[in-house]
Amino acid sequence: AAGVIQSPRHLIKEKRETATLKCYPIPRHDTVYWYQQGPGQDPQFLISFYEKMQSDKGSIPDRFSAQQFSDYHSELNMSSLELGDSALYFCASSLGQAPNTEAFFGQGTRLTVV
Amino acid sequence: KNQVEQSPQSLIILEGKNCTLQCNYTVSPFSNLRWYKQDTGRGPVSLTIMTFSENTKSNGRYTATLDADTKQSSLHITASQLSDSASYICVVSAPGGYNKLIFGAGTRLAVHP
Repeated sequence: AAGVIQSPRHLIKEKRETATLKCYPIPRHDTVYWYQQGPGQDPQFLISFYEKMQSDKGSIPDRFSAQQFSDYHSELNMSSLELGDSALYFCASSLGQAPNTEAFFGQGTRLTVV
Repeated sequence: KNQVEQSPQSLIILEGKNCTLQCNYTVSPFSNLRWYKQDTGRGPVSLTIMTFSENTKSNGRYTATLDADTKQSSLHITASQLSDSASYICVVSAPGGYNKLIFGAGTRLAVHP
């Protein structure tokens, strides 16, 4: 079965550079969530989209932006990268946003800022 | 204080043995509780999801229990396999959906031959 696809899997960037992470949800899923998991940390919710509209915002820095496109894939744009942005970035998708809806996580993009 | 606490922090068992992982939470109100398996460097994979009205749910060799009165959950793994080696994360959802997922720190399980 198709799963959530994230690209790239690994990314190395220098401080002050920009990065774009991509997430392709499971077919027919209309909701995408982004999480950031720092080394040894719990995943932290960043932002979510439902039907191409931002549905909720968590601890996403102002330097980051995201959007969901017409084909439901989502991109997380990160600018002025800082060393502290080094983390595993997960995308999850679900069909709808009901509280008990199952969401499926991608394998993550490991971003290293040097 | 962490709203979702898991124990033990790490566990080593021999292949074929059973084990039980614990999760205590203080999240209130509470929508549902999930157990995820996360391999190192990979995304979490859902094992079970239970609402407050459910007491137990099974997924193959994994059985989760929930006591909403005492705010405790457990994940029981039977006949462990080497591939069970991973972190097992308890996640509690407050009303509001996935933006309100509260993750536990996980229990790192190592299954040895």
